[in-house]
Order: sequence, then C-alpha cells, then structure tokens
Amino acid sequence: GAVVSQHPSWVICKSGTSVKIECRSLDFQATTMFWYRQFPKQSLMLMATSNEGSKATYEQGVEKDKFLINHASLTLSTLTVTSAHPEDSSFYICSARPPGGGEQFFGPGTRLTVL
Amino acid sequence: QKEVEQNSGPLSVPEGAIASLNCTYSDRGSQSFFWYRQYSGKSPELIMSIYSNGDKEDGRFTAQLNKASQYVSLLIRDSQPSDSATYLCAVNQAGTALIFGKGTTLSVSS
Repeated sequence: GAVVSQHPSWVICKSGTSVKIECRSLDFQATTMFWYRQFPKQSLMLMATSNEGSKATYEQGVEKDKFLINHASLTLSTLTVTSAHPEDSSFYICSARPPGGGEQFFGPGTRLTVL
Repeated sequence: QKEVEQNSGPLSVPEGAIASLNCTYSDRGSQSFFWYRQYSGKSPELIMSIYSNGDKEDGRFTAQLNKASQYVSLLIRDSQPSDSATYLCAVNQAGTALIFGKGTTLSVSS
C-alpha cells in the first residue's frame, strides 16, 4: 500500500516553455500532498503544501506564480513550472500523506532539464 | 526556526557491522519521527516511524527516541553494501509538513 506515482519521470524542455508534473496517490486518498525540489548533492527543499480543494501554501522564497500547484482531487496534484529557465533544472519530488497519518510517501520524482 | 540536525558523514562501516545514525530536533512539540533512505538519484523511501519514547525494531533496523533529549537514532545491524545510501531524519507535529534533516551518508564496505 501507500504507493505514489509521478509523471513524467524525466523531461527536457526549452527555456521559456511550461512543464506540468503529475503526482497521484494510487491506493489511498491524500487530502494533503507536498512538493519538494532537490538539487544535486543537496537536501530536500519543501516548495509547497497542497490541500485538496484549496490554494497551495508556498514556502518562503518560492514564487507561486512560477510554480503553479493544483490539487483538484483526493488522488491528484499537479505542479506546473511556468516559463522554465535553466536554473529551474532540478529533481522535483511529490509526497502524499494518508488521512490521519503523519508519514509521507514519496513519488519516484521527476528530473527536469531546461536547455 | 524548527530544525533537524544530522551529521552529514560520510559514515563508513564494514559489512556486518552496526551502523548508528543520529538526529536531534529543536521543536519540543514534535510528535512523529521518521527515517527515510534515499539512494543516489532516487526519491526518499520510508523505512521506520516512531512515535513514543523507547526502541522500535523492524528487521535489521532499530529506531530509538528520547523526547526529553530531543534525540532520535537509527541502528542498522549486520550492515550490507546495499544499505549504502543517504539516511534522512524527519519530524513533524500533527497535520504539518515533515521537517527533514540534511541527511547522513552511509557507506558500507564489503
């Protein structure tokens, strides 16, 4: 149980384009999902907390107009990187928390490369 | 500022030895404590959770929690080369996002 999927697993795009990443909880309903970013050899950085049916809560320093998060259902959250630039190249990982649980289960991650 | 501190390592142990990973946290209100394992280039995988003081064992893994000292540890018995990874300590209060440490890199040599 507690499986989280992400799609795509990797993406290469041109500078200035937008990229959408999907995160799905496959065997449980997740009222809360989280989006993280991880640069090479660095720690996980929480970008935002996404609650189903409401606006995401962004961490300090994360541009909400650049990283659009939608959590339209209890099993799906999406992250759209708008007008991507090379500095946005990173490993983006989502996680989901089952109702009443404290633990978070991570998706396999999406490696974004912006040329 | 809520913080979780870990020694970055690398921690090097020979195969078959016990690896001891430590973590301290600043928020006395923390209620849940987790250990994740992250292989290079992969996402974190939950390996242990602990909620009350004392020890919790699962196979070769033992998590230890001391809330008075704000300290949580992970012991890996009979370490294997496949245990070589970065181990992330994470804590939270009910309903909040996990706060992660920067991780300890473990290297198990055969």
